[in-house]
Amino acid sequence: ETGVTQSPTHLIKTRGQQVTLRCSSQSGHNTVSWYQQALGQGPQFIFQYYREEENGRGNFPPRFSGLQFPNYSSELNVNALELDDSALYLCASSLGRGQGTEAFFGQGTRLTVV
Amino acid sequence: GQQVMQIPQYQHVQEGEDFTTYCNSSTTLSNIQWYKQRPGGHPVFLIQLVKSGEVKKQKRLTFQFGEAKKNSSLHITATQTTDVGTYFCADQPYSGAGSYQLTFGKGTKLSVIP
Repeated sequence: ETGVTQSPTHLIKTRGQQVTLRCSSQSGHNTVSWYQQALGQGPQFIFQYYREEENGRGNFPPRFSGLQFPNYSSELNVNALELDDSALYLCASSLGRGQGTEAFFGQGTRLTVV
Repeated sequence: GQQVMQIPQYQHVQEGEDFTTYCNSSTTLSNIQWYKQRPGGHPVFLIQLVKSGEVKKQKRLTFQFGEAKKNSSLHITATQTTDVGTYFCADQPYSGAGSYQLTFGKGTKLSVIP
């Protein structure tokens, strides 16, 4: 196990609703990245948090937002849910944000939007 | 933006046969990380390649980075049923503000027939 935990593991929401996903990073890791993985696809980078600040963002609209807390845990918020938001959401923690750092993934949250 | 192409998308092999997945890019890759995702699981880091022409081995797995740093491969010798899963390569280019984000390929899904 990686020591990265995500909650909840599964979630069903209705289109237009809002959702908050949570991630507890591995002990000592100050960097958290969020990814969206659609069925049959590779993970797509949403954004990264380093020491409580957003530190890089992928090609996702502003309704995807996040937070990182002083203990380095993190939240991913998605507003105005759309059907296409249905996916596995993965959180990955790492020690630092430099090139070559290994990402430790959590088990993911499976979000279904109906 | 940077795109990492992986082939084949699917591979079915008889147990004991070899397996290879290829990762290609039209531009120079920064470094390559390989991940394995078991069915229903999350990506798990396998290895990182940084140098042009680098070759690394892990038991039955051999990883190569091309001389021009535009391709990489993962070769598994004598596959076992425990090798089942999807194998992803990921580039890690600089994305600004001190951040290096992982850009994943779509993966190669390996099935092993006992």
